[in-house]
Amino acid sequence: EAGVAQSPRYKIIEKRQSVAFWCNPISGHATLYWYQQILGQGPKLLIQFQNNGVVDDSQLPKDRFSAERLKGVDSTLKIQPAKLEDSAVYLCASSFIGQLQETQYFGPGTRLLVL
Amino acid sequence: AQTVTQSQPEMSVQEAETVTLSCTYDTSESDYYLFWYKQPPSRQMILVIRQEAYKQQNATENRFSVNFQKAAKSFSLKISDSQLGDAAMYFCAYRPFRDDKIIFGKGTRLHILP
Repeated sequence: EAGVAQSPRYKIIEKRQSVAFWCNPISGHATLYWYQQILGQGPKLLIQFQNNGVVDDSQLPKDRFSAERLKGVDSTLKIQPAKLEDSAVYLCASSFIGQLQETQYFGPGTRLLVL
Repeated sequence: AQTVTQSQPEMSVQEAETVTLSCTYDTSESDYYLFWYKQPPSRQMILVIRQEAYKQQNATENRFSVNFQKAAKSFSLKISDSQLGDAAMYFCAYRPFRDDKIIFGKGTRLHILP
């Protein structure tokens, strides 16, 4: 079974530029999550999708961050414009509806550095 | 508010020995899940072990076991026969039964000494 895929793995941009991250969840997983992990901290949930609908985006800085999951499979997370404090690893995770729904499977992450 | 606390930012253990990572959490819920996730350097986070709060029996996965003390809101991870590949950040995490949101601790970096 293929895992959660993310790209790019690394990205370096200057502040005020825009950036986008892509995630492909495990096949059949209806729920998709985006996390921000700042160095030295645990992941913090940014947004959660159930199929193509948003379940929770209460911690997403909506003035600069946006995310979509148009067909209920792949998802993109965008930052525009980026700030220095956005430097972090952005993790995508997915989970299955049904047995073991409580278990989230993580992708390798995208490491973002904003200069 | 629900919180997860890992009081040990870093720990070291000799290869083949046993180490215990501590975790406490705060919640008013009675039903929930607890997890330990492992995040090796530059590699993706993987689930090590999970515990359902309604189960009194401590979860075990090969060399990994937990000591779940519900009344004390404590959930420690024991790694037996430590191996070099166990070196990683370990995150304790909590999820309410009726919610998908996982709350992570700040992590404990585990070093394995050869």
